[in-house]
Amino acid sequence: AQTVTQSQPEMSVQEAETVTLSCTYDTSENNYYLFWYKQPPSRQMILVIRQEAYKQQNATENRFSVNFQKAAKSFSLKISDSQLGDTAMYFCAFIPPQGAQKLVFGQGTRLTINP
Amino acid sequence: DAMVIQNPRYQVTQFGKPVTLSCSQTLNHNVMYWYQQKSSQAPKLLFHYYDKDFNNEADTPDNFQSRRPNTSFCFLDIRSPGLGDAAMYLCATSRDLEAPQHFGDGTRLSIL
Repeated sequence: AQTVTQSQPEMSVQEAETVTLSCTYDTSENNYYLFWYKQPPSRQMILVIRQEAYKQQNATENRFSVNFQKAAKSFSLKISDSQLGDTAMYFCAFIPPQGAQKLVFGQGTRLTINP
Repeated sequence: DAMVIQNPRYQVTQFGKPVTLSCSQTLNHNVMYWYQQKSSQAPKLLFHYYDKDFNNEADTPDNFQSRRPNTSFCFLDIRSPGLGDAAMYLCATSRDLEAPQHFGDGTRLSIL
């Protein structure tokens, strides 16, 4: 069974700092997709970034980047120049190609950006 | 803007009184999902539709049902809500099973 683990239930940093959220996963699949979703308080869950396992290059989206280590089954999210609007729950998620058809979420990390 | 719309935003019902939550999408996506999310937890998939094909998760209680009358709409029916069913219910859509999912704002369900 596939599992996703986020070992940091809560994190807090000062505005403009860089923060890294960790995520590890377990799978026997070789090809799969990894995602980071952001859920601000009382607001919609949105996709932050996506990584295909067959791509060696780490995905980036503006201030958000990932460190994808396939052999270690690690998929961390780095937020640079953090902003107050980055305060949210962040969920790491995994989906295998076809097959199980189910997005597997980690437990989430509650990130607070302090002014 | 194309989006996923959930109504109502907040729903209050009585213990045991059937309730229906609705979701509509303008993305023309093939797949629609219903998740249950309790406070400070990850969303838990209840079921999904791929086009008209219904896929129920093994641990989804029989109390939960779903309907998808057309591509744009999907409903979550809770036949006899219990106190443990109080939660945020999230609808999501995706172009296919591997594509990123787009979430609605959710419906927060309270049980009196």
